Amino acid sequence: EVHLLESGGALVQPGGSLKLSCAASGFAFSSHAMTWVRQPPGKGLEWVSIISYDSVDTFYADSVKGRFTISKDNAKTTVFLQMNSLRVEDTAVYYCAKGRPASSPTDSFDIWGHGTMVTVSS
Amino acid sequence: IQMTQSPSTLSASVGDRVTITCRASQSINTYLAWYQQKPGKAPNLLIYKASNLESGVPSRFSGSGSGTEFTLTISSLQPDDFATYYCQQYNRNPTWAFGQGTRVEFK
Repeated sequence: EVHLLESGGALVQPGGSLKLSCAASGFAFSSHAMTWVRQPPGKGLEWVSIISYDSVDTFYADSVKGRFTISKDNAKTTVFLQMNSLRVEDTAVYYCAKGRPASSPTDSFDIWGHGTMVTVSS
Repeated sequence: IQMTQSPSTLSASVGDRVTITCRASQSINTYLAWYQQKPGKAPNLLIYKASNLESGVPSRFSGSGSGTEFTLTISSLQPDDFATYYCQQYNRNPTWAFGQGTRVEFK
């Protein structure tokens, strides 16, 4: 069964750092791009970052560029999101998702984790 | 590229035909996906590449469009379909972005 499990969400003070993990299973992890999408409480979805299947390319939303770093460990079938200089407006549920199609420009996301909550507050 | 989704809220009854529209500020070819999200749950992919039904999704869902205007249609609304729907675009810049969402509520 295809499965994604996020972890690492927590309460953190503004200016702090946090690293999210997303463990994948049930599919050819090394052949798919992986993405992070967030959703502030009561609001819509916001795309955050994506990493290519081979980790060669990474892209970020303007709102997190320079503060967040995405990485992928194909051996451990895990994708990470390192979040630095956190702001109150980064408060959200963070979802990881599997890109489709395989080994090609990712146009959509077909498998999602259950999400992990990040709260930035003093 | 900006995505404009309409309406923001839609009131409908079981059995109704429902249409949601998503407009892009510039052409995105057919790189448009649709998702359904229920409260407290992760989004679920319904349609990819504008008109392709994801495996396991009921055939009452369909998508159409290309360029800048796209629609998601539910041919006969079922009780399980009351949820929020999002469009999502990809362009070769590359960027990815979601629309603001459409909440389908019971009339």
